[in-house]
Amino acid sequence: GNSVTQMEGPVTLSEEAFLTINCTYTATGYPSLFWYVQYPGEGLQLLLKATKADDKGSNKGFEATYRKETTSFHLEKGSVQVSDSAVYFCALRRGYNTDKLIFGTGTRLQVFP
Amino acid sequence: DAGVIQSPRHEVTEMGQEVTLRCKPISGHNSLFWYRQTMMRGLELLIYFNNNVPIDDSGMPEDRFSAKMPNASFSTLKIQPSEPRDSAVYFCASSAKQETQYFGPGTRLLVL
Repeated sequence: GNSVTQMEGPVTLSEEAFLTINCTYTATGYPSLFWYVQYPGEGLQLLLKATKADDKGSNKGFEATYRKETTSFHLEKGSVQVSDSAVYFCALRRGYNTDKLIFGTGTRLQVFP
Repeated sequence: DAGVIQSPRHEVTEMGQEVTLRCKPISGHNSLFWYRQTMMRGLELLIYFNNNVPIDDSGMPEDRFSAKMPNASFSTLKIQPSEPRDSAVYFCASSAKQETQYFGPGTRLLVL
């Protein structure tokens, strides 16, 4: 079946450190891949996405590359800020005949000054 | 646009009572989703509608839960009777076809 696996958190970093949050997926066909972010007390919001292999999504200094050969979509940021503290969700949407997203379990990031 | 609107934002009720959560999707979006989020189970898709028609309700936990979408601008999620294990944050999201899902701020439900 279709699934998304994320690294467990929390991930604890100091400000300006390098961030990687791992995400791997299992899917048939050619899914689209997403990273959503949830700040405390809020709903999820789209951070970035990639719709085909080798695409790189980027936003707010975050990047993720769609790697079909390793079925991965790892999230990276070169220098995190305290304001990046949030829960990050990796998700996939399989194919073109559905709007349903399959989410990972989320990874909490805590950034300290 | 005001984004996805959910009401109420917080709800505290007693076990056995009926709870109705409301959602107004973004105008022009034709898909609507109801999610539940808890610490134990994470984020779960309960049901989603396309053009007001339920497409996938496999995540609805049991018969106590029901959802309706009478028109393109309104949906409800009802729990009757409510139980303490239903305590969670319930999110509504909407999207245009094959586009980004936009989430509402959520309804925080506590069943005592």
